[in-house]
Amino acid sequence: KAGVTQTPRYLIKTRGQQVTLSCSPISGHRSVSWYQQTPGQGLQFLFEYFSETQRNKGNFPGRFSGRQFSNSRSEMNVSTLELGDSALYLCASSAGPTGGNYGYTFGSGTRLTVV
Amino acid sequence: DQQVKQNSPSLSVQEGRISILNCDYTNSMFDYFLWYKKYPAEGPTFLISISSIKDKNEDGRFTVFLNKSAKHLSLHIVPSQPGDSAVYFCAASDPGTYKYIFGTGTRLKVLA
Repeated sequence: KAGVTQTPRYLIKTRGQQVTLSCSPISGHRSVSWYQQTPGQGLQFLFEYFSETQRNKGNFPGRFSGRQFSNSRSEMNVSTLELGDSALYLCASSAGPTGGNYGYTFGSGTRLTVV
Repeated sequence: DQQVKQNSPSLSVQEGRISILNCDYTNSMFDYFLWYKKYPAEGPTFLISISSIKDKNEDGRFTVFLNKSAKHLSLHIVPSQPGDSAVYFCAASDPGTYKYIFGTGTRLKVLA
């Protein structure tokens, strides 16, 4: 059973550009969540999609957006990149509705560097 | 406001001894708590969880304790092994918002 696949693994972008990150969840998982990890900040919740609907959103500016397709694959977009957006972006999928004891399976992440 | 806090950014323990990682939370409505382990260049992997109706859960060398009155949980690793060296995140499930809230992580180093 394939795990959560995130592409690309590494990305370098210039300030002001936009970027799209991709996540393919475990087959059968309908919930996909995105987190940003930076040193000292832990994992900050970005948003969660379930059956193509954004069900929850964290406290990030509108430059951060996402979507989920009918096959449960998800993309995250960041527009007008800032230096502070440099981070590891993690995608996680869940078999059931997020929360409770379902837990997450995380992908390996996309390391984004903004220069 | 940090609803889940891991106040120790790092911890060093001798191989074979006990490692105790701590986590505090503020919301008494959290219904599940999970621990994840993360190695560099990898995503976090699930380690162990506990329901808010329990006070202890054990899985091999890993035991999680929950003290609801103190809003505190801890992860015990006995005996600690060098392969346990990683960053450990605690997370709480918020039943009202369908998300897990993570702490900032504790970097554990097990010395051989």
